[in-house]
Amino acid sequence: NAGVTQTPKFQVLKTGQSMTLQCAQDMNHEYMSWYRQDPGMGLRLIHYSVGAGITDQGEVPNGYNVSRSTTEDFPLRLLSAAPSQTSVYFCASSYRVVGYEQYFGPGTRLTVT
Amino acid sequence: LAKTTQPISMDSYEGQEVNITCSHNNIATNDYITWYQQFPSQGPRFIIQGYKTKVTNEVASLFIPADRKSSTLSLPRVSLSDTAVYYCLKTGRRALTFGSGTRLQVQP
Repeated sequence: NAGVTQTPKFQVLKTGQSMTLQCAQDMNHEYMSWYRQDPGMGLRLIHYSVGAGITDQGEVPNGYNVSRSTTEDFPLRLLSAAPSQTSVYFCASSYRVVGYEQYFGPGTRLTVT
Repeated sequence: LAKTTQPISMDSYEGQEVNITCSHNNIATNDYITWYQQFPSQGPRFIIQGYKTKVTNEVASLFIPADRKSSTLSLPRVSLSDTAVYYCLKTGRRALTFGSGTRLQVQP
C-alpha cells in the first residue's frame, strides 16, 4: 500500500490564482480530512468527509472547496489564493472517524505571494 | 468542536519518564482519547488510543481516570529522538480537531 499520497510537495502561487491539492489513499478508508498547519502552530481542520459524496466544514473552511466523488480521492481546491493561505497542508485518512488511527500524508508546502 | 488543553512545552533528560497530561472536560460518551506525535516537516503519527483505564503499547502508556475528563500520556525512558510535538485529541463522532500540542524537548 502507498498509504496517503499528496501532490504536489511544494507549490508557489500568486495572489488570486486557483489550484487543487491532490490527496489519495489506497486503504479503502471512509474518513478523509484536510488540515493546514501554520509555522509553530497546531493543525487546523479545513474540511472532512465521512464517505464518498459526503463532505463537511471544519474549523477554517473559508477559501477552500472539497469534493469526494470516490472513496480514494479527496482533492482540496483553493478558489482564489491569498497570502494568508501560505501554510503546510496535510491530508489524512482513517477507516472510521471514531476509534481508528488516522494516517497522514507527507504534506504540501504552499506559498502565496 | 471543543478542543483539549495541554501544557505548551515540557523539558526532560534522556532516560527519564515523561508524563504529559491533557484536559478534556467536555468529553462525550462515545469519544476516544488519541495521542499523536509530530516531528518537524512531517505529518502527525499515531501513538496510542484509549477509552478508559489504562492502555499500553510498545512505545507508550495512556492513563484515563474513571471520569474521563483528563488523560496522561506516559513515555518511558525518553531519548533524544522523542523530541517532538505531542497532540491529545478527542476523537468525536464527526471530526478530529487538534489543539496546540505539547512541545517536548529531550536533553542529553
